[in-house]
Amino acid sequence: EDQVTQSPEALRLQEGESSSLNCSYTVSGLRGLFWYRQDPGKGPEFLFTLYSAGEEKEKERLKATLTKKESFLHITAPKPEDSATYLCAALLTGGGNKLTFGTGTQLKVEL
Amino acid sequence: EPEVTQTPSHQVTQMGQEVILRCVPISNHLYFYWYRQILGQKVEFLVSFYNNEISEKSEIFDDQFSVERPDGSNFTLKIRSTKLEDSAMYFCASKSGTVQETQYFGPGTRLLVL
Repeated sequence: EDQVTQSPEALRLQEGESSSLNCSYTVSGLRGLFWYRQDPGKGPEFLFTLYSAGEEKEKERLKATLTKKESFLHITAPKPEDSATYLCAALLTGGGNKLTFGTGTQLKVEL
Repeated sequence: EPEVTQTPSHQVTQMGQEVILRCVPISNHLYFYWYRQILGQKVEFLVSFYNNEISEKSEIFDDQFSVERPDGSNFTLKIRSTKLEDSAMYFCASKSGTVQETQYFGPGTRLLVL
């Protein structure tokens, strides 16, 4: 069964304390791996798309990387405004166009 | 920047009633989706729609659900006879085409069935 698993479930960081969020996937075939940010009561906000192992994308304090089994979202020197739930989602080969989401990592950045 | 919009933002209904959730996808996008998220759970796929027909649906999307693109801008999700377990956030998403795979999500409609 295709699965997307995120860890940790929750993460508390001090402002400036860098860390990484993990998204591991066991799927029959990966067409794309997506990262979204979700604020409470809001819709997922697109961050990155990764298509092949070794690919990296960067935006401000965030960098996403992809291997054949997992993806990491690295947060460098986070600020309180980075507090949100970060979702990863897989687009599967042979899976039509539906995204399979993980349960998310709830990040809290404190002063 | 173009965005997906959804109305209403909140909907409260009685069990057994029909509800229609509305979405305006990003202009010129060709693929449309509905997802839902039950409180505290992961985002789940419901249905995808392309070229005026359903291209894929999940087990959740049973005969009580239907989708429609009544005109060139709106995309709707209808639940014919709501159940308590239909209470969730419903998200609409759209994608431009086959080459660009990124789906852009709307802000959601929070549906509460009493």
